[in-house]
Amino acid sequence: DTGVSQDPRHKITKRGQNVTFRCDPISEHNRLYWYRQTLGQGPEFLTYFQNEAQLEKSRLLSDRFSAERPKGSFSTLEIQRTEQGDSAMYLCASSSGGLWEQYFGPGTRLTVT
Amino acid sequence: QKEVEQDPGPLSVPEGAIVSLNCTYSNSAFQYFMWYRQYSRKGPELLMYTYSSGNKEDGRFTAQVDKSSKYISLFIRDSQPSDSATYLCAMRQGGSEKLVFGKGTKLTVNP
Repeated sequence: DTGVSQDPRHKITKRGQNVTFRCDPISEHNRLYWYRQTLGQGPEFLTYFQNEAQLEKSRLLSDRFSAERPKGSFSTLEIQRTEQGDSAMYLCASSSGGLWEQYFGPGTRLTVT
Repeated sequence: QKEVEQDPGPLSVPEGAIVSLNCTYSNSAFQYFMWYRQYSRKGPELLMYTYSSGNKEDGRFTAQVDKSSKYISLFIRDSQPSDSATYLCAMRQGGSEKLVFGKGTKLTVNP
């Protein structure tokens, strides 16, 4: 399977803990995106990388959130001091060339207790 | 007013029916329009991508864009139970990578 992969698929954590998610994009896709989706809502944009450069960030990405893509391949999204409101599905997508169609991974479902 | 409005449904149809799903938008800068299908607890899957007014067909799916009315539609012909999913419209401005999604419409196709 050469699609976008995300790890872990499900994470349960206690309020106040830090969590880190990983995304591996489709091979050779140079653009990578993070979105957050809560129940009954569409995904909301968080941030985007072109290669290793983080080029766009949403106001949703508070100072407790940080994303990296150190070598322009995989990316990590860290949430510090998690809150119950952080419970959501965190989706990663990647794209390359043409119309820059974004292809999504299966998501990481975060539950903060 | 949200930038993208989509009726969340739910929508229930018999197998073989023609399904019409719609979104309206308020931002006239949107230039690219997509439809994604999302099964329960899975990531969205890209179905259709268009950037001009008019129709685009792919198998049983037709995407329609009317930029003058700020209205997009997805038609599904000969609907199947396997089409049961949430359908999300998404759009973006030229020069931005950010996709703006509707809430999604939950569709059930009954055998």
